[in-house]
Amino acid sequence: EADIYQTPRYLVIGTGKKITLECSQTMGHDKMYWYQQDPGMELHLIHYSYGVNSTEKGDLSSESTVSRIRTEHFPLTLESARPSHTSQYLCASRAGTGVSEQYFGPGTRLTVT
Amino acid sequence: KQEVTQIPAALSVPEGENLVLNCSFTDSAIYNLQWFRQDPGKGLTSLLLIQSSQREQTSGRLNASLDKSSGRSTLYIAASQPGDSATYLCAVEVRTSGTYKYIFGTGTRLKVLA
Repeated sequence: EADIYQTPRYLVIGTGKKITLECSQTMGHDKMYWYQQDPGMELHLIHYSYGVNSTEKGDLSSESTVSRIRTEHFPLTLESARPSHTSQYLCASRAGTGVSEQYFGPGTRLTVT
Repeated sequence: KQEVTQIPAALSVPEGENLVLNCSFTDSAIYNLQWFRQDPGKGLTSLLLIQSSQREQTSGRLNASLDKSSGRSTLYIAASQPGDSATYLCAVEVRTSGTYKYIFGTGTRLKVLA
């Protein structure tokens, strides 16, 4: 059982609001990831981190930002939400060395009205 | 550019049947391949991880095979049950621009009928 958590699970918010999606894991994993998934579509990597103070943008352009101040915590922030940000956001982590499985959180379903 | 394709996109079978889900990838230079299941509105649950040097992995009623040279992997589910109904995703880990990333397929939506 993977110990990776995301809050909130569901969020409905108005255009222009600032939001932060929380992701935390208790496995001591160095590598953490944020993916965006629209219904019926594949996952797209939007941000990743290989350790504290390390963050990189993924393959899919995103207006969100991330931070990695602590190993266990990898929050994603949208400064000004727009309807185009409506999607499911999935956080994942894996051990930093060797071949390791990627574990996912339950996801945050975001709706911007 | 690595592309991952899963066929069929949807599958409906009666309970008890053995079934095979397919995953193909365009570039054989992968580091590993992982199979996941995703229930509606939920995150992904890891099922099996196959390293690039391995040919198959087994867990309970699941068996995943990997043929890197032909760019294919299969997930075999024995004696399917209604609880197996979910979307099954495969993902390959590749190295691009000096970093390791997973590329996901769009999944096979499985429905097992009681």
